[in-house]
Amino acid sequence: NAGVTQTPKFRVLKTGQSMTLLCAQDMNHEYMYWYRQDPGMGLRLIHYSVGEGTTAKGEVPDGYNVSRLKKQNFLLGLESAAPSQTSVYFCASSRRLAGEQFFGPGTRLTVL
Amino acid sequence: ELKVEQNPLFLSMQEGKNYTIYCNYSTTSDRLYWYRQDPGKSLESLFVLLSNGAVKQEGRLMASLDTKARLSTLHITAAVHDLSATYFCAVDRAGGGADGLTFGKGTHLIIQP
Repeated sequence: NAGVTQTPKFRVLKTGQSMTLLCAQDMNHEYMYWYRQDPGMGLRLIHYSVGEGTTAKGEVPDGYNVSRLKKQNFLLGLESAAPSQTSVYFCASSRRLAGEQFFGPGTRLTVL
Repeated sequence: ELKVEQNPLFLSMQEGKNYTIYCNYSTTSDRLYWYRQDPGKSLESLFVLLSNGAVKQEGRLMASLDTKARLSTLHITAAVHDLSATYFCAVDRAGGGADGLTFGKGTHLIIQP
């Protein structure tokens, strides 16, 4: 049981490049989330999904897109990366409403 | 807009001492979560507090929730070095649990021998 996994673990992009971060969970959770963590800012919600085929905007959605084509996967896309998107990205999932969220190991992204 | 404030943001303390971290939030919510993060690592769930008056304890850590005061506390008893980490509290954005969490900025805790 791997829990929540994220790929890649590290990535360096140039401004304007695009990439997709993959989150996978094997716990059959309905709810999945993408957060970014910046020094001194805590974690901020980017997008979330309450089930397969559904997504919604979180606190800081600009510059990101997401898709949830399969229940176990939640993809985060950056269409045109900017230096302000340099951050550590965490994916999380939860089984039910008000349940605890389980976090993946994170992806450290640097945009030059 | 939900705001979650932790204090202190930085705490250096000696082993064997007791201390409390505070988490205040700005709108009504019945659910509050505490997480621990070690440097360079992911977040580990510590406590899930789901109702007013909830109290949970694990080892030297005890968390409580007062929804009327919009306040949660994380109390550390007889601190040991292994508890050095950053601790985050988080609150449901919309009260229903499905909309993600709003996190405090974290309390960076250093416990010195």
